[in-house]
Amino acid sequence: DAGVIQSPRHEVTEMGQEVTLRCKPISGHNSLFWYRQTMMRGLELLIYFNNNVPIDDSGMPEDRFSAKMPNASFSTLKIQPSEPRDSAVYFCASSHEEGQPQHFGDGTRLSIL
Amino acid sequence: KNEVEQSPQNLTAQEGEFITINCSYSVGISALHWLQQHPGGGIVSLFMLSSGKKKHGRLIATINIQEKHSSLHITASHPRDSAVYICAPEGGSNYKLTFGKGTLLTVNP
Repeated sequence: DAGVIQSPRHEVTEMGQEVTLRCKPISGHNSLFWYRQTMMRGLELLIYFNNNVPIDDSGMPEDRFSAKMPNASFSTLKIQPSEPRDSAVYFCASSHEEGQPQHFGDGTRLSIL
Repeated sequence: KNEVEQSPQNLTAQEGEFITINCSYSVGISALHWLQQHPGGGIVSLFMLSSGKKKHGRLIATINIQEKHSSLHITASHPRDSAVYICAPEGGSNYKLTFGKGTLLTVNP
């Protein structure tokens, strides 16, 4: 079975550019989570969806960040405009239901120059 | 906000040793996750537990809800167990995970 698929695996771009990260959850999973990992702060939840609806976005750092889940098989995390402090590894995870074990994608390593 | 403390931060062991990693948290929870992150960066969920003990192969996870404490044990450790192990309590009133800073385990042959 395919796991959680994230793209791109790596992204290097200049500050001010728009960045779009993509995630395809495991088929049949109803909950989707976006996390950010940095050396300083470790892993942090940014936002999570249940049945395509955003449930908690309190971890989204600021208005430059937005996330969508237009259907059950696709989600995006967008940063516009990007800044060097956004450099991190961004993970997407999905679970069958809320409160179930989460399956993580391989992450997107983002570098903003 | 749930404060999560893991200990030790770093652990070096010889192959075959018994390993224990501890996790304490400050707020009541509905469940606790143990995650493994390998040097390549990928994250794997090892356990999700809300009471008692779970075992999977050489890995055992225990939790004491009253004491707000969980432990991860590895029996007969092997170099391939070298990774960062992360404790993540799940909120009692929501499904949000709060993450510990991780324990870096190195098992030498």
